[in-house]
Amino acid sequence: NAGVTQTPKFQVLKTGQSMTLQCAQDMNHEYMSWYRQDPGMGLRLIHYSVGAGITDQGEVPNGYNVSRSTTEDFPLRLLSAAPSQTSVYFCASSYSGGGLGGQGYTFGSGTRLTVV
Amino acid sequence: DAKTTQPNSMESNEEEPVHLPCNHSTISGTDYIHWYRQLPSQGPEYVIHGLTSNVNNRMASLAIAEDRKSSTLILHRATLRDAAVYYCILRDDRGSTLGRLYFGRGTQLTVWP
Repeated sequence: NAGVTQTPKFQVLKTGQSMTLQCAQDMNHEYMSWYRQDPGMGLRLIHYSVGAGITDQGEVPNGYNVSRSTTEDFPLRLLSAAPSQTSVYFCASSYSGGGLGGQGYTFGSGTRLTVV
Repeated sequence: DAKTTQPNSMESNEEEPVHLPCNHSTISGTDYIHWYRQLPSQGPEYVIHGLTSNVNNRMASLAIAEDRKSSTLILHRATLRDAAVYYCILRDDRGSTLGRLYFGRGTQLTVWP
């Protein structure tokens, strides 16, 4: 049971480049989400999904796109990278059955992105 | 909108109990209280959660005030591996905030040998 797998672990981009951060989970979790964490701060929600084909914006969605074609995968796309997107990105998933409030999240180990 | 208030830092000696407090005075009836911790260079790790009653698991205990406006995470015997940032978070499954976790800055726990 791998849990939540994020790739790559490290990435350096030039301003204006695009890329996709991959996230996959093997726990059959309906709920998946992306967070970013900047130095000295807590995590902020970028986008989330309550199931395949359904996505919605979080607190800081600008500059990012997501899609959810399968239960397992939830990729995050940076359309045109900017230095302000330098951050550590975490993907997380949970069950949603019986109400999300009572379900714990499983987080991936993160992708450290630097935009120069 | 973190919704919770925690001390910035706390310290403990190894093998002593640690009580990490959290205030959530605006908690609603559908909010669950979650605790996560984050070790250096790792993703957050689920610790425990509860709604109204105190909860125990292999990692920790969660004590919830009767009015639910505060809670305390209890590590019964701190180890050096418990040194981390601990986040107290409210999670609900209502409408526009469906399932979101609002992370504040958490409490940095230092454990001394």
